[in-house]
Amino acid sequence: AQSVAQPEDQVNVAEGNPLTVKCTYSVSGNPYLFWYVQYPNRGLQFLLKYITGDNLVKGSYGFEAEFNKSQTSFHLKKPSALVSDSALYFCAVRAPMYSSASKIIFGSGTRLSIRP
Amino acid sequence: DAGVTQSPTHLIKTRGQQVTLRCSPKSGHDTVSWYQQALGQGPQFIFQYYEEEERQRGNFPDRFSGHQFPNYSSELNVNALLLGDSALYLCASSSDKGRLDEQYFGPGTRLTVT
Repeated sequence: AQSVAQPEDQVNVAEGNPLTVKCTYSVSGNPYLFWYVQYPNRGLQFLLKYITGDNLVKGSYGFEAEFNKSQTSFHLKKPSALVSDSALYFCAVRAPMYSSASKIIFGSGTRLSIRP
Repeated sequence: DAGVTQSPTHLIKTRGQQVTLRCSPKSGHDTVSWYQQALGQGPQFIFQYYEEEERQRGNFPDRFSGHQFPNYSSELNVNALLLGDSALYLCASSSDKGRLDEQYFGPGTRLTVT
């Protein structure tokens, strides 16, 4: 069965510093991996995805993620954090069962807090 | 271009009642998935509809049922409500023929069961 783990409930970073939000996964076959962000009282917004190709994936708002197959990880990174990055971040995984978006398993979320 | 819309925004129901939540997908999308997000947790997959049929289902009881209409909009029905059904219900749409795997989420319906 597929699963995804976000080992940190909260990450605190000073504005301007680099940030990393960790994610590890378990899935049969080649994984489809995603990061979503959720702001208060709003739905999830897509940040980036990895399906195949370059292990470093660039996404929205300056975020990027690195796929590491040997460590089964897909950590979210940003070189310089902004206060506006403060939100709840979810890592998600999908096994390639169908040719389109289907069942996605989400992690429990990591709250990112950027202090001025 | 309208994104995913959901109604109502908030809903308060009593245990044992039934509720219907509605979702209109993003223009051009034909697949709708429903998720339950309990407080402090990640979204849990309920089911997915494509071509008016349930294509996949998560670990939710039969009290949770759905429907997709010819215009691709969808409903989520929950019968015999329990206190534990209180959550944010998210609808996500995607295109079965277009870009792979990007799901667009609506703002959600906050259901409170008392």
